[in-house]
Amino acid sequence: KAGVTQTPRYLIKTRGQQVTLSCSPISGHRSVSWYQQTPGQGLQFLFEYFSETQRNKGNFPGRFSGRQFSNSRSEMNVSTLELGDSALYLCASSYSGQGENGYTFGSGTRLTVV
Amino acid sequence: SQQGEEDPQALSIQEGENATMNCSYKTSINNLQWYRQNSGRGLVHLILIRSNEREKHSGRLRVTLDTSKKSSSLLITASRAADTASYFCATVAKTSYDKVIFGPGTSLSVIP
Repeated sequence: KAGVTQTPRYLIKTRGQQVTLSCSPISGHRSVSWYQQTPGQGLQFLFEYFSETQRNKGNFPGRFSGRQFSNSRSEMNVSTLELGDSALYLCASSYSGQGENGYTFGSGTRLTVV
Repeated sequence: SQQGEEDPQALSIQEGENATMNCSYKTSINNLQWYRQNSGRGLVHLILIRSNEREKHSGRLRVTLDTSKKSSSLLITASRAADTASYFCATVAKTSYDKVIFGPGTSLSVIP
């Protein structure tokens, strides 16, 4: 079956702009989590959605937001981009979000803010 | 600080040797998972060990868990050049099922 699909793979944006990233989970998976990965901070949890509801949120400013649609696809949005938002953004899907069988990750979206 | 901390940060070995990575964490966990990441790509789930398990095997991988010491180790036996990657431990806390916390990772280089 198809894996987790993240689009786009690469993005270059200018400081102050906003960006929307998309994640399509594995068919049947209802939980989607988002992570930011940078060399300095490592992998940091952004938020998790399950059946269109945000169940958990990491310590990121309100400029980072997300949503999940009825087909479980998820988007995350970053407004007023800062240079420090340059990172690899990863999404992960699972059936229940309870980590019982591990998570399947997409290949990520590499965001560069200039 | 992050829930999981790997040790060492970097490891370089010859092909055929065994590689051991350690992970420590702070709070009670539901399970602990190990992931591999190749060159800034997505993470690949390797193995999951539950809090009531002490050891688990999968192919050339062996994971141990010591909940009294809040630590885990990942052993890769008979390493290959293709094992070159970053390895992360991740914990799912008992108080927060949906929030997976990753350690900083161990960078493994296997020299042919």
